[in-house]
Amino acid sequence: QKEVEQNSGPLSVPEGAIASLNCTYSDRGSQSFFWYRQYSGKSPELIMFIYSNGDKEDGRFTAQLNKASQYVSLLIRDSQPSDSATYLCAGLRSAAGNKLTFGGGTRVLVKP
Amino acid sequence: GAGVSQSPSNKVTEKGKDVELRCDPISGHTALYWYRQSLGQGLEFLIYFQGNSAPDKSGLPSDRFSAERTGGSVSTLTIQRTQQEDSAVYLCASSLVADSNEKLFFGSGTQLSVL
Repeated sequence: QKEVEQNSGPLSVPEGAIASLNCTYSDRGSQSFFWYRQYSGKSPELIMFIYSNGDKEDGRFTAQLNKASQYVSLLIRDSQPSDSATYLCAGLRSAAGNKLTFGGGTRVLVKP
Repeated sequence: GAGVSQSPSNKVTEKGKDVELRCDPISGHTALYWYRQSLGQGLEFLIYFQGNSAPDKSGLPSDRFSAERTGGSVSTLTIQRTQQEDSAVYLCASSLVADSNEKLFFGSGTQLSVL
């Protein structure tokens, strides 16, 4: 079992809809979680991080964390074609040396 | 520099040759990370450096892989006797410190192809 699991997709959503991405993790020692966006052929860029249970909102993005269920999600509201990319979920366990463990990523396609 | 710089951007080599990949982190960043991304896969941690502390090498896949960081800045990842399964994009990232909430800035990567 991978430490961080994501559905590879593609997740196809119409423009203007909400894209919902899910991520589960197996290491209960993970303390912080990060969502990175990666366009094809480009390097990952950080969208959000979350370390407390509940929701965290930033513009059109909302990250949700449920530590009891070991579940992290990312919602993208009012999806735009420019949101089409692969979204990588990563967990960090400080006791393990501050290295991020990434999931395989979910490819999102926003159709006009 | 303005961002994390990696070179070369592309490297094609023959099986059995040694390669060196270079990473120049953002000035002032004390933490430096190497990750590997195979086609269609997520990022696989390789090694990280934090200041003058001993590096965390726990992700290196074999003893053919090594990395050093000179003067707390530039890092070189060396792969000896390359194999075809080493083909991947090698990404370097840096952050101000190795903190649980510190943002990682990634370079554009080196695409390594082993023939």
